[in-house]
Amino acid sequence: DAGITQSPRHKVTETGTPVTLRCHQTENHRYMYWYRQDPGHGLRLIHYSYGVKDTDKGEVSDGYSVSRSKTEDFLLTLESATSSQTSVYFCAISARTGGSGANVLTFGAGSRLTVL
Amino acid sequence: KQEVTQIPAALSVPEGENLVLNCSFTDSAIYNLQWFRQDPGKGLTSLLLIQSSQREQTSGRLNASLDKSSGRSTLYIAASQPGDSATYLCAVGGDDKIIFGKGTRLHILP
Repeated sequence: DAGITQSPRHKVTETGTPVTLRCHQTENHRYMYWYRQDPGHGLRLIHYSYGVKDTDKGEVSDGYSVSRSKTEDFLLTLESATSSQTSVYFCAISARTGGSGANVLTFGAGSRLTVL
Repeated sequence: KQEVTQIPAALSVPEGENLVLNCSFTDSAIYNLQWFRQDPGKGLTSLLLIQSSQREQTSGRLNASLDKSSGRSTLYIAASQPGDSATYLCAVGGDDKIIFGKGTRLHILP
């Protein structure tokens, strides 16, 4: 997807190991989001960022942490992966600047994580 | 807490029919509402975005409406085609969070 790169695209890991997923954008957008997608649950917001070092929790943040040290990168970390965190993880960016301005949410291609 | 519901969860219709997908949300203090399409095993593609001040948006055979006061949006697809088969998701933007419904899985029968 234009402007957004997720890495790795696929990862298999074992329970208890740390995992970091990276989202990189070339659009210089302010807002970045991490979602997970699971059958029967749709997309659920994990964490989001509204600027460098500015992050907040979403709907399902337990077990996850994030960091954003520069505009272009938003990292999602599973400190100690569990089987319940097996999922497809999507990063998204938005150019929203506040108020009610229009902002299209644009997604990365997704990262499929399997925790054994 | 914003909750977004999409009904029906799945829908099958013959090719050529017009159809309506529904999205409802509990908190009317939204900035915008966006409709997405997702093909199996793929990412999400934005279809239409409606700002909170707008009532509808159109793109080709697609028309999305928004009624903030009742907490509803509809996606109308005219003259459906087999290529329209996909999952359609709505996403509601309020404050800084963007919350999704679970989607409607659409199957167009040739």
